[in-house]
Amino acid sequence: GENVEQHPSTLSVQEGDSAVIKCTYSDSASNYFPWYKQELGKRPQLIIDIRSNVGEKKDQRIAVTLNKTAKHFSLHITETQPEDSAVYFCAAGGSTLGRLYFGRGTQLTVWP
Amino acid sequence: GAGVSQSPSNKVTEKGKDVELRCDPISGHTALYWYRQSLGQGLEFLIYFQGNSAPDKSGLPSDRFSAERTGGSVSTLTIQRTQQEDSAVYLCASSLAGLAGAQFFGPGTRLTVL
Repeated sequence: GENVEQHPSTLSVQEGDSAVIKCTYSDSASNYFPWYKQELGKRPQLIIDIRSNVGEKKDQRIAVTLNKTAKHFSLHITETQPEDSAVYFCAAGGSTLGRLYFGRGTQLTVWP
Repeated sequence: GAGVSQSPSNKVTEKGKDVELRCDPISGHTALYWYRQSLGQGLEFLIYFQGNSAPDKSGLPSDRFSAERTGGSVSTLTIQRTQQEDSAVYLCASSLAGLAGAQFFGPGTRLTVL
């Protein structure tokens, strides 16, 4: 099966700075890479996703990049705000795999 | 339309008792997943249903855990003879058929085993 590694496990940044979370995956069949944000006591929510035919995708202050050759993808958050504080999970999957494989999560704290 | 719903939202039980947790997926979503999340931990995959295919049970931690999906919609996760280490939030998610992606999560059931 797939194996997804996520780093760092914790990340603290000052408000306004950028934050980057990185993930690697092992199965070259994976072709779908979503990112989820989970606030304390809430359910995980999809914030952005990318498919393997695209190298980068942006949505306002968040962006995801994908390097299929190296089998890694990253989440970039610019101009961070305290409300960005949450646990972020990356995942990898594909139609042939049928399910998503999640990373262990990154606790992001944005200090005002 | 409505999102994924789960019931109950909280369940407190005594060690050794059986519990049933329910998940109603988004209408039209044929893929359904169960995850377990212990306090401060990641998402532990339990089981995955896709249409009429045999479920992927590879994540179930022991034979005390089982799940059914009736009529391709509602799913029930059953934990028999609960143990204290079963205490966690149990999350259900659903997605469209044939796509490993865009999973939408329910609010979860918080299970506490005393």
